[in-house]
Amino acid sequence: DAKTTQPPSMDCAEGRAANLPCNHSTISGNEYVYWYRQIHSQGPQYIIHGLKNNETNEMASLIITEDRKSSTLILPHATLRDTAVYYCIVKDDKIIFGKGTRLHILP
Amino acid sequence: DARVTQTPRHKVTEMGQEVTMRCQPILGHNTVFWYRQTMMQGLELLAYFRNRAPLDDSGMPKDRFSAEMPDATLATLKIQPSEPRDSAVYFCASGLVQGRGADTQYFGPGTRLTVL
Repeated sequence: DAKTTQPPSMDCAEGRAANLPCNHSTISGNEYVYWYRQIHSQGPQYIIHGLKNNETNEMASLIITEDRKSSTLILPHATLRDTAVYYCIVKDDKIIFGKGTRLHILP
Repeated sequence: DARVTQTPRHKVTEMGQEVTMRCQPILGHNTVFWYRQTMMQGLELLAYFRNRAPLDDSGMPKDRFSAEMPDATLATLKIQPSEPRDSAVYFCASGLVQGRGADTQYFGPGTRLTVL
């Protein structure tokens, strides 16, 4: 079973920051937090991952709370192409996908 | 730009027929995963291999599904006999795992299987 809890859907206005929350209260010390997204009819796409520290790359930022029980994925300037299902995953050895958050970007 | 490739992209077959799906992982990757996606169940992990050895196939119906890696450049998922409930999109993913560190999975475009 997935070890994370995410809201089923969210809306965000185009050009604004999209903040996607994820709870992973049972995370253990050596488990990474991964984010993937799946655009309609495509395979999941890796976004970012982290262990303890906040991370940033060209796609997004990942903020992990100090107790590591929750995290937030930030898309700084959402575009219509960011409409997708976003999966937050706590990974030990293998990735188990939950239901994710369906993000709608509103024009 | 290295990518995971999957063939065929679409497959329509009749119940009872054998179906073989193929995956070419990214060169140098040592782990290969097979997933199945349906509207009802979402993305399910069927099996995965590391260094061509099967590590976990607990998600796979054993009586009709089989997964193999004949060599490092090819992974196959076979269904025999196929049933209508097998209709789904099957994704292959590959990654490079080193020790207990993080690894990233790269997904192929999927094979959309329809069993009539």
